[in-house]
Amino acid sequence: AQSVTQLDSQVPVFEEAPVELRCNYSSSVSVYLFWYVQYPNQGLQLLLKYLSGSTLVKGINGFEAEFNKSQTSFHLRKPSVHISDTAEYFCAVVGGTDKLIFGTGTRLQVFP
Amino acid sequence: KAGVTQTPRYLIKTRGQQVTLSCSPISGHRSVSWYQQTPGQGLQFLFEYFSETQRNKGNFPGRFSGRQFSNSRSEMNVSTLELGDSALYLCASGLEGTPEAFFGQGTRLTVV
Repeated sequence: AQSVTQLDSQVPVFEEAPVELRCNYSSSVSVYLFWYVQYPNQGLQLLLKYLSGSTLVKGINGFEAEFNKSQTSFHLRKPSVHISDTAEYFCAVVGGTDKLIFGTGTRLQVFP
Repeated sequence: KAGVTQTPRYLIKTRGQQVTLSCSPISGHRSVSWYQQTPGQGLQFLFEYFSETQRNKGNFPGRFSGRQFSNSRSEMNVSTLELGDSALYLCASGLEGTPEAFFGQGTRLTVV
């Protein structure tokens, strides 16, 4: 079975600073990896995905993530955050079961 | 192309009642999945439908059921509502053979 661990429940950061949101997964089969963002009272919006190929994937809003198979990680990064990036971020994996398994989420709080 | 549409956006029901939530997938998407999101349990998979057949089911009691119509629209039903059923219910649609899921805005169900 697959599982996802998001190590930080909250990440406070000042505007224009870099940020990294950590995600580790566990799976006995090959996986696809995703990051979703959720703004208050909204659904989930796909930020980026790793399906195959290059391990560095770029997404919307200036975010990127790197798939590291040896460390079973898929950390999300942004070099300079904005106030508007304040939201909940979810890492998710799809493996043999073909259903999305989500982490518990990381709340990114950007301060001016 | 229109996104995933969920109706209604908000619902208030009393304990013991039943409720039906609706989801219209992105045009051309035949896979529809449902998730429950609560502060305590996070995002939990309810079930997935593909071509009117339930393909996958999460660990929820039989009070939670769903169905999919020939036009790929899906409904989920919760009978004998409990206070703990208060949650954001999210629907996602996807294309056959691809792992990506696109989410709607959700239905906020409050049970009083």
